[in-house]
Amino acid sequence: AQKVTQAQTEISVVEKEDVTLDCVYETRDTTYYLFWYKQPPSGELVFLIRRNSFDEQNEISGRYSWNFQKSTSSFNFTITASQVVDSAVYFCALSEAPGSSASKIIFGSGTRLSIRP
Amino acid sequence: KAGVTQTPRYLIKTRGQQVTLSCSPISGHRSVSWYQQTPGQGLQFLFEYFSETQRNKGNFPGRFSGRQFSNSRSEMNVSTLELGDSALYLCASSTGLAGDTDTQYFGPGTRLTVL
Repeated sequence: AQKVTQAQTEISVVEKEDVTLDCVYETRDTTYYLFWYKQPPSGELVFLIRRNSFDEQNEISGRYSWNFQKSTSSFNFTITASQVVDSAVYFCALSEAPGSSASKIIFGSGTRLSIRP
Repeated sequence: KAGVTQTPRYLIKTRGQQVTLSCSPISGHRSVSWYQQTPGQGLQFLFEYFSETQRNKGNFPGRFSGRQFSNSRSEMNVSTLELGDSALYLCASSTGLAGDTDTQYFGPGTRLTVL
């Protein structure tokens, strides 16, 4: 069965610290996508990244970076030099059977990140 | 380019009533997905419509239904409301199927309160 686990319910760090959000997934599919979303206090979900199961290259976008490791079924997200505006709930998600009618997205329970000034 | 819009933004209903929520996707997007977010269950997939056809459905009772029009606008309907249906309902649009697309764009959500 497919499952996404975000074990860290809440994280609080001081501004400018680096922080890593963990995501562990379970799937029987060999082809799948992994996603990260951000939900700021306004409530609107914001798409951050999609990663294909065949592409294990790490991704860096500004202060954000993602580490995908199939061997440990993990897709971790690191924010470098965190800022107060990074405060939000972050969701990791999994999509199995992409492109098929059975495709759907399963979300983790989210990690609430608070950045203190 | 206008984003995803959802109406109404807030809604208060009583148990047993029915409700219809609307979602207008980004122009050119053919897929609309619906999600329910509650403190207890988190984010859960409801269903996805692509080119007026329901492509997939999550594990929700038949009281939850939806449809998509030729202009890609989508509505979801919940009949015989229960207290547990109180939630933030989010819709998202994408060019292709949600699970297979580069990017999904989410609307601000409709917050439904059932009394």
